[in-house]
Amino acid sequence: GQQLNQSPQSMFIQEGEDVSMNCTSSSIFNTWLWYKQDPGEGPVLLIALYKAGELTSNGRLTAQFGITRKDSFLNISASIPSDVGIYFCAGRFGGSQGNLIFGKGTKLSVKP
Amino acid sequence: EAGVTQFPSHSVIEKGQTVTLRCDPISGHDNLYWYRRVMGKEIKFLLHFVKESKQDESGMPNNRFLAERTGGTYSTLKVQPAELEDSGVYFCASSQDRTENYWETQYFGPGTRLLVL
Repeated sequence: GQQLNQSPQSMFIQEGEDVSMNCTSSSIFNTWLWYKQDPGEGPVLLIALYKAGELTSNGRLTAQFGITRKDSFLNISASIPSDVGIYFCAGRFGGSQGNLIFGKGTKLSVKP
Repeated sequence: EAGVTQFPSHSVIEKGQTVTLRCDPISGHDNLYWYRRVMGKEIKFLLHFVKESKQDESGMPNNRFLAERTGGTYSTLKVQPAELEDSGVYFCASSQDRTENYWETQYFGPGTRLLVL
């Protein structure tokens, strides 16, 4: 089945540092998504990307839809302790509905 | 407005037993999805309901898993008999149904953590 390669698996950073994570796929996606999961909660959508080359920001978060449509990255600037959690990338092939293909997640730890 | 809710939050059962998970989607959402995350691996799609109909069940692992959505409201996912490899976190998500061709946000529930011993 389709797979997304998400890296890094985990990150330990100092508060205030910038963070970067990415996902690559052997398949072309029509939509790229980034979710965050806090402990004991379900994934929450952070950013959705719909067009190749699209660069979207949400506060301190910036994500881009790769021009090949096979990759995406998420940057977090000036990290704070509440950024701790697991970040998942996800892709979709097409249409307005349908299932998501997820990466394995990047576990982010932030030291105050 | 209430989000997606799931029950129970945790379940510990023995191999061979039966477990039923429940998901209540956001009111008015026609689309309901089940996903599963096995420890350390990616979140994997199980199936998709549109109202009471199964739109896509290609991710269901085997016939020990049975999902229902009678009346198009809440959904149940039954595992019978449970095996060790069924352990993981089962997420439910819901989204509205629209005709425009853009992606409709899937809202996830908190998950049910299932441990099969």
